Amino acid sequence: EVQLLESGGGLVQPGGSLRLSCAASGFSFNNYPMNWVRQAPGKGLEWVSYINTAGTAMYYADSVKGRFTISRDNAMNSLYLQMDSLRDEDTAVYYCARHESGFDFWGQGVLVTVSS
Amino acid sequence: EIVLTQSPATLSLSPGERATLSCRASHSVSSYLAWYQQKPGQAPRLLIYDASNRATGIPARFSGSGSGTDFTLTISSLEPEDSAVYYCQQRRSWPPLTFGGGTKVEIK
Repeated sequence: EVQLLESGGGLVQPGGSLRLSCAASGFSFNNYPMNWVRQAPGKGLEWVSYINTAGTAMYYADSVKGRFTISRDNAMNSLYLQMDSLRDEDTAVYYCARHESGFDFWGQGVLVTVSS
Repeated sequence: EIVLTQSPATLSLSPGERATLSCRASHSVSSYLAWYQQKPGQAPRLLIYDASNRATGIPARFSGSGSGTDFTLTISSLEPEDSAVYYCQQRRSWPPLTFGGGTKVEIK
């Protein structure tokens, strides 16, 4: 059974940093690109970032470019999102999602709250 | 950036009725369009990929159609558990990968 489990969320002050993790199991993690998608409270879905299987190609939404860094450790079956210079508008539930003709599997999400 | 516009914003129907949800793209996305269902407090679930292919385990009452700029998600006979927000998403031209704003389906 495919499982994605996010962790690392919480409350952080504006300008602060946070690192999200996503532990994958039940599939060959190193064979799939991965993404982070977020959802602000009461709002729709927003794609945040993508990483290819080898971790050599990364793409970002303009809203996070230069502040967020996606990475992966295939030996540990884990995906990460380093979030720096956080802003109020980054408050959201963050999901990791497997990339396969769409986002075919999602984690349960982790809440990040940016507030003073 | 390809903008996806979903309509209507809300659809209120009775069990057994047919639901028709629309997604229009600002530029052609060929058939690289997916549909997701999201219930309150849950992660989205992939329903349809590449415009018309049902994902694993998705009931046959869900179907997708369209190509280019106009797409439709049809729920042939609504069940109470179909109450949710439905999103479309394109992967034809990216980054960025983009989602529509969603259609909320309410069951009367």
